[in-house]
Amino acid sequence: SYVLTQPPSVSVAPGKTAKISCGGSNIGNKPVHWYQQRPGQAPVLVIFYDTDRPSGIPERFSGSNSGNTATLTISRVEAGDEADYYCQVWDTPGDHWVFGGGTRLTVL
Amino acid sequence: QVHLVQSGPEVKKPGASVKVSCKASGYSFTDFYIHWVRQAPGHGLEWLGRVNSNSGDTKYEKKFQGRVTMTRDTPISTAYMELSSLQSDDTAVYYCTRAHGDNWFDSWGQGSLVTVSS
Repeated sequence: SYVLTQPPSVSVAPGKTAKISCGGSNIGNKPVHWYQQRPGQAPVLVIFYDTDRPSGIPERFSGSNSGNTATLTISRVEAGDEADYYCQVWDTPGDHWVFGGGTRLTVL
Repeated sequence: QVHLVQSGPEVKKPGASVKVSCKASGYSFTDFYIHWVRQAPGHGLEWLGRVNSNSGDTKYEKKFQGRVTMTRDTPISTAYMELSSLQSDDTAVYYCTRAHGDNWFDSWGQGSLVTVSS
C-alpha cells in the first residue's frame, strides 16, 4: 500500500519559516492535504489540493507538491503554530485514504 | 456551520464490541461521505473506512475488514462505527470526519475515547 513519510520533528524559532516534508512515490501526481492537530484537539484542515487554504487559515500557511515530495511551509512562525502536522492523500489504486506519520513542530 | 458531535467515552473488556455515533448538523447529511479515523495514545492518524451517507455503501481499510461495520441513519443525520473483538491495541480516540469528495476531510468530530482494558 501507499506510504507517506514525514520527519518526526521540526524545530524553528519564532518569526522564521518552517518547512515540513511529506515523501511518497510520485506524490506530485496526487492531491495532498495537510492537517494541524494541537494537543488534545481534533485535526484541522490547513491546506487542501496541494496549495489551497480553507477560509480562516492564515496566509502564512502554504503548500507545494512535486516529484516525490510535498511540502507544508509556515512563514513567520508563531508560538500558536506549535502542533502536530499530518499530510494525507487518497490512494486511488487501493481506494483507501492514507496519512503520513505526522511531524511535531516545536517553536523554540 | 458544520458540526459533528460524537458519543462519549467507552470502557470495554477485551473481546467486546463498541459502537460510536456521530451526529451531523449544519449541512445536508446525505451530500457527503463520513469517514472514521482513529489515533492511539502517542501515535498518528489511522484511517478505518467510510460510509456513503446517501446509499449506505461502505469501504473499509483491509486491516479492519471483518471487524468493523459502518452504518448511517439518514432521518437523524447520524453515522455509526462499530468495532468488534476489541483488544488492548484498539485503545484510541476515534474520530468521525466529513469528506469533501474523494479527497480532504473538512470537518471533524470532537473524538470518542475507547479504552479496552480487562
